[in-house]
Amino acid sequence: EAAVTQSPRNKVAVTGGKVTLSCNQTNNHNNMYWYRQDTGHGLRLIHYSYGAGSTEKGDIPDGYKASRPSQENFSLILELATPSQTSVYFCASGDAWGRPSYEQYFGPGTRLTVL
Amino acid sequence: AQKVTQTQTSISVMEKTTVTMDCVYETQDSSYFLFWYKQTASGEIVFLIRQDSYKKENATVGHYSLNFQKPKSSIGLIITATQIEDSAVYFCAMREGNNNRIFFGDGTQLVVKP
Repeated sequence: EAAVTQSPRNKVAVTGGKVTLSCNQTNNHNNMYWYRQDTGHGLRLIHYSYGAGSTEKGDIPDGYKASRPSQENFSLILELATPSQTSVYFCASGDAWGRPSYEQYFGPGTRLTVL
Repeated sequence: AQKVTQTQTSISVMEKTTVTMDCVYETQDSSYFLFWYKQTASGEIVFLIRQDSYKKENATVGHYSLNFQKPKSSIGLIITATQIEDSAVYFCAMREGNNNRIFFGDGTQLVVKP
């Protein structure tokens, strides 16, 4: 069965520190996405990727970088973490346009707290 | 511009009844896909059901079905014979043709009472 995994599942970081959130998918999907979800809100897109080596800015990219070193892996990097980045982060994968599957599949989420 | 709107913040129903959750969308594209996702109390986000814009038949999966009203840009999710475990947040989403992004609504909290 298709799977998206994230690590770590929980992270406590200090203000100004560097944080890296990792995502791995075994769906063989071209596209991967990073979202954040704040309490009581929906999903907001941070960065996404169409394939290895590519990254694109989503709706709220400020303060975040992304890296897609391979088809399977997609990382979200907070170079200088701030308390406003405290949130739950979800990774997702999806097929490219023209492939039979159009939906996205989500990982379990990473709860990040920046103190 | 693409936009997905869920106006119902929270719905409460009795177990074994039928519930409908509303969703309206905005798109300029003639080809698009509409989805519903479920987020459980544990935070897990699960894909439930999809409607392709070119299909006239409403999609059905298990006790989930859709009410697709294309002229109204509306895609309602219908859950029949609700169960306690259906309690969750439900997100409506849309993907346009030739676009790899999916746009999500803000979600509707469903509470199913025994």
